[in-house]
Amino acid sequence: DTAVSQTPKYLVTQMGNDKSIKCEQNLGHDTMYWYKQDSKKFLKIMFSYNNKELIINETVPNRFSPKSPDKAHLNLHINSLELGDSAVYFCASSQDPGDAATQYFGPGTRLTVL
Amino acid sequence: EDQVTQSPEALRLQEGESSSLNCSYTVSGLRGLFWYRQDPGKGPEFLFTLYSAGEEKEKERLKATLTKKESFLHITAPKPEDSATYLCAVQGGSNYKLTFGKGTLLTVNP
Repeated sequence: DTAVSQTPKYLVTQMGNDKSIKCEQNLGHDTMYWYKQDSKKFLKIMFSYNNKELIINETVPNRFSPKSPDKAHLNLHINSLELGDSAVYFCASSQDPGDAATQYFGPGTRLTVL
Repeated sequence: EDQVTQSPEALRLQEGESSSLNCSYTVSGLRGLFWYRQDPGKGPEFLFTLYSAGEEKEKERLKATLTKKESFLHITAPKPEDSATYLCAVQGGSNYKLTFGKGTLLTVNP
C-alpha cells in the first residue's frame, strides 16, 4: 500500500513545453512538499503546503506553480520548460510542518528536458 | 542560511569493515538533525532524528551521534545491503524547511 505516490515516474519532453507532475499521499498527513534533486544530488525544497495553504516558497522561477486541491494531493505544474529543469522531483508529506522526522518521500519523477 | 556539508562524498568498504560518515552543519537554532538513506531510483527513507548535542540513536548496524557542529553516522560491521547514499539534513529554528547535504555514497563489497 503506497504511502506517497507520484505520476509519472519518467517524463521526457521538449524545451518550451508545459508539463505537470501529480502527487498523492494516503497517510492522512496535513503537510506536503516538493523537492528538486539535481545532477549533483543536492536535494532542495521548493514548496510546502499545510492544509492546502502555501507555507514554504523557496526561490524558484515562477514557471513552477504548485496546486493543492485537497490535503492528500499536491501537484506541480511547470511552464515553458528549460534544459536546467532536468532533475528528479520528489514529493513528500509529514504530519505537520515542524515534524520533519515523519517526512515520507515518494519515489520521484525523473524529468528530462531535451 | 543553513548549510550542511557531508564527507566523504564516496566511501567503499569491505564487508565487516566499520567506518564513519561525517555531517558538518551551520544552522540558526537547531530544531533537529536528520539522517536519511536513499537507494538508487528511490526517495530518501528516514533513519534518525537527533535534537541536541550528546544525543545518540542506534538502529541495527547504524549509530548516529551529534555535537554542536557535526554529526557522525557510524556503521559497524557493514553488509552489502547497507550500500546506499546517506543524506544528512538540518531543520533550523526560523522556519520548517530541511536543508540537505549532498550525501555520502556508501558501497560495501562482499
